[in-house]
Amino acid sequence: DAGVTQSPTHLIKTRGQQVTLRCSPKSGHDTVSWYQQALGQGPQFIFQYYEEEERQRGNFPDRFSGHQFPNYSSELNVNALLLGDSALYLCASRLTQGNDSPLHFGNGTRLTVT
Amino acid sequence: AQSVTQLGSHVSVSEGALVLLRCNYSSSVPPYLFWYVQYPNQGLQLLLKYTSAATLVKGINGFEAEFKKSETSFHLTKPSAHMSDAAEYFCAVSVVWGAQKLVFGQGTRLTINP
Repeated sequence: DAGVTQSPTHLIKTRGQQVTLRCSPKSGHDTVSWYQQALGQGPQFIFQYYEEEERQRGNFPDRFSGHQFPNYSSELNVNALLLGDSALYLCASRLTQGNDSPLHFGNGTRLTVT
Repeated sequence: AQSVTQLGSHVSVSEGALVLLRCNYSSSVPPYLFWYVQYPNQGLQLLLKYTSAATLVKGINGFEAEFKKSETSFHLTKPSAHMSDAAEYFCAVSVVWGAQKLVFGQGTRLTINP
């Protein structure tokens, strides 16, 4: 049973460029969220997708956008990259229904902006 | 709004010694609390969760945590540290059970000395 898978594992981009990160949720999960983890910090919630719609958003600018596909996989897009966008981006998934479904995290994509 | 404070960004203990990682939370409503562990180059793994069923919560790998409302604390303990416990530990809070949005603390890096 595959867990949450993210691609690519590492990425280097230049300031001003755009980037797309991908996530496949754990089998059977239908809700996906994205977190940004800067070096030495705890993860920060970016947004959540369920039924192909953004349901909740953290304190991130509009440069951060996402998408969820009918197969529940998701993409995170970041436009006009800044040096401060360098971080580990984590995807998490869970099954919406059910009282005891914890979040499962992927291993993340390490984005470096130069 | 909720927040989490982890006291001590670095904790070092000897193998076999007691592990104590401190977490204090702030929430205007009864919280749900979590401890996650992150090994190098990996995502987050759930250690344990508090969902108001019992104040002493047992998790994986011999860890446990006690919810103390009067102290707004949820400290993580393990009676005897193993070398394999070396990792980054994050405390997190949510006010909605099953929510994708968790608010994380800054993390505590645990080092185990032989």
